[in-house]
Amino acid sequence: SAVISQKPSRDICQRGTSLTIQCQVDSQVTMMFWYRQQPGQSLTLIATANQGSEATYESGFVIDKFPISRPNLTFSTLTVSNMSPEDSSIYLCSVKAASEAFFGQGTRLTVV
Amino acid sequence: EDKVVQSPLSLVVHEGDTVTLNCSYEVTNFRSLLWYKQEKKAPTFLFMLTSSGIEKKSGRLSSILDKKELFSILNITATQTGDSAIYLCAVEAIGDYKLSFGAGTTVTVRA
Repeated sequence: SAVISQKPSRDICQRGTSLTIQCQVDSQVTMMFWYRQQPGQSLTLIATANQGSEATYESGFVIDKFPISRPNLTFSTLTVSNMSPEDSSIYLCSVKAASEAFFGQGTRLTVV
Repeated sequence: EDKVVQSPLSLVVHEGDTVTLNCSYEVTNFRSLLWYKQEKKAPTFLFMLTSSGIEKKSGRLSSILDKKELFSILNITATQTGDSAIYLCAVEAIGDYKLSFGAGTTVTVRA
């Protein structure tokens, strides 16, 4: 199993600002995944973060809006840039261990 | 593109009832199907299914996969208010490390 510490747990931000979400894993993992869950919807993968290389973004998501860092095998950050109310969502980081996916506690972001 | 469809989208039951949740999928090179329970923010793992016809059980929850008909069901017997949650189904393809999630089924159990 894997234990993921994600922070902040929640935040209320002004439009036009940026928020950086952090995830720390208790073991080394090759890939970390960042998901978004908009209100009333399911999880949508934003990008896959690999250590030592650029993140791989899914269709509809771009690096300028969601820059990701992956400085080592246990840590990653996701930044939500130039926020608008449409970015209000739950953001989740995830890792896979033994074919199971484990999730951080999630960040509930509200943009006003 | 992988496709995961869950039904119903929501349901309300009373304590003690049995619920059956459905998940159908389309995925190239299927590897596994996973069920998660989401109560607040973070989904928690329930089951991973890779083989047809083998039921997995955990307490009052059970799940089975049909790889021929491309669906899975999740059963919850003797429901309790603590079972109220969103239940998510996800599939993984061979060679693709990401999960594709369905929209989820919201289960509300009333006392």
